[in-house]
Amino acid sequence: GQQLNQSPQSMFIQEGEDVSMNCTSSSIFNTWLWYKQDPGEGPVLLIALYKAGELTSNGRLTAQFGITRKDSFLNISASIPSDVGIYFCAGVGTNAGKSTFGDGTTLTVKP
Amino acid sequence: GAVVSQHPSRVICKSGTSVKIECRSLDFQATTMFWYRQFPKKSLMLMATSNEGSKATYEQGVEKDKFLINHASLTLSTLTVTSAHPEDSSFYICSARPPGQATGYTFGSGTRLTVV
Repeated sequence: GQQLNQSPQSMFIQEGEDVSMNCTSSSIFNTWLWYKQDPGEGPVLLIALYKAGELTSNGRLTAQFGITRKDSFLNISASIPSDVGIYFCAGVGTNAGKSTFGDGTTLTVKP
Repeated sequence: GAVVSQHPSRVICKSGTSVKIECRSLDFQATTMFWYRQFPKKSLMLMATSNEGSKATYEQGVEKDKFLINHASLTLSTLTVTSAHPEDSSFYICSARPPGQATGYTFGSGTRLTVV
């Protein structure tokens, strides 16, 4: 089946620093999604990308859909303590809207 | 915004019993819902696609007789873990796509199942 490689697995940064994480795949996806999950909660959609090359921002978050349609990155600028959590990328192909999730990036922000 | 409500949030049951988890789409109808399972510090693994008015489609390796899915209305899907065992302990999450939200699914808050 389709697999996503998400990196890094975890990050420990200082408040105010910028963060970058990415996902790559051997398969092509039609849509890339980025979610954040807090402990004990379901994932919350941050950004959805629908076209190759698309660059989309949501506040301090910026994500891009790679030209090859096989990768995407998420940047967080000027991190704050509430950015702490697990970030997942997800790719959606043509298989009935199913999402394939990356393994997640655990972000820790030190005040 | 669109909300997906999941109930219960936590459940502890004895080994051998069955547990039902509900997933409701609030303020929108969902002909399709997805059920995921998540182990600690792991990613979400799709278990099955719940289809309103028809049988669910299960991912490879997921026992359909073990994890019964019923999608009897456009706002409710249920997952029943039958004859639960400790290895079924996990975080179960459902998702649905609100109309007009092209592909990004809204997730429920999850159910933490502990089988003792």
